[in-house]
Amino acid sequence: DAGVIQSPRHEVTEMGQEVTLRCKPISGHNSLFWYRQTMMRGLELLIYFNNNVPIDDSGMPEDRFSAKMPNASFSTLKIQPSEPRDSAVYFCASSLGGGRSEQFFGPGTRLTVL
Amino acid sequence: GNSVTQMEGPVTLSEEAFLTINCTYTATGYPSLFWYVQYPGEGLQLLLKATKADDKGSNKGFEATYRKETTSFHLEKGSVQVSDSAVYFCALSDPGSGAGSYQLTFGKGTKLSVIP
Repeated sequence: DAGVIQSPRHEVTEMGQEVTLRCKPISGHNSLFWYRQTMMRGLELLIYFNNNVPIDDSGMPEDRFSAKMPNASFSTLKIQPSEPRDSAVYFCASSLGGGRSEQFFGPGTRLTVL
Repeated sequence: GNSVTQMEGPVTLSEEAFLTINCTYTATGYPSLFWYVQYPGEGLQLLLKATKADDKGSNKGFEATYRKETTSFHLEKGSVQVSDSAVYFCALSDPGSGAGSYQLTFGKGTKLSVIP
């Protein structure tokens, strides 16, 4: 079975540009999570969806960040405009069921904003 | 709120040494506890989990026991290998915390390096 798929794996862009990260969760999973990982702040939950509905977006840093999940098999995280401090590895994860369930992580997108 | 505290790294061990990575937690409800591992350049993957007090999770020679009285979930392995070099994350999920019940609260991670 394919795991969580993320694209692109690497993204280098210039400050001010729009960046879109993509995620395909494991088929049948009903929860999807976006995380950001940096050396300074560790692993941070940005937003999560349950049955395609955003449940908690309190981790989204500011209005420049937005996330959508138009259907059960696709989600995007958009940064507009991007800034150098957004440079990080962004992970998508999915799970089936509630809080006692394992989350399956994608390989991540390494974003560099120059 | 919920929080996870794990020992600071990095930890460097010789092959076949005994490993302990300490993890303690605070939670408002009755959490499930997890250890995730992240190998270089990869995403996190579940190593083991425990869902109730006194449960022992185990996988690939690693073990951790859910200790409610000490709010701990320490990770142990009797004999580490070079291939165990990775970052280890302790995490909790609190199903009773309402809207946050699907979330994992992670510790900051402990980097383990095993040298031959």
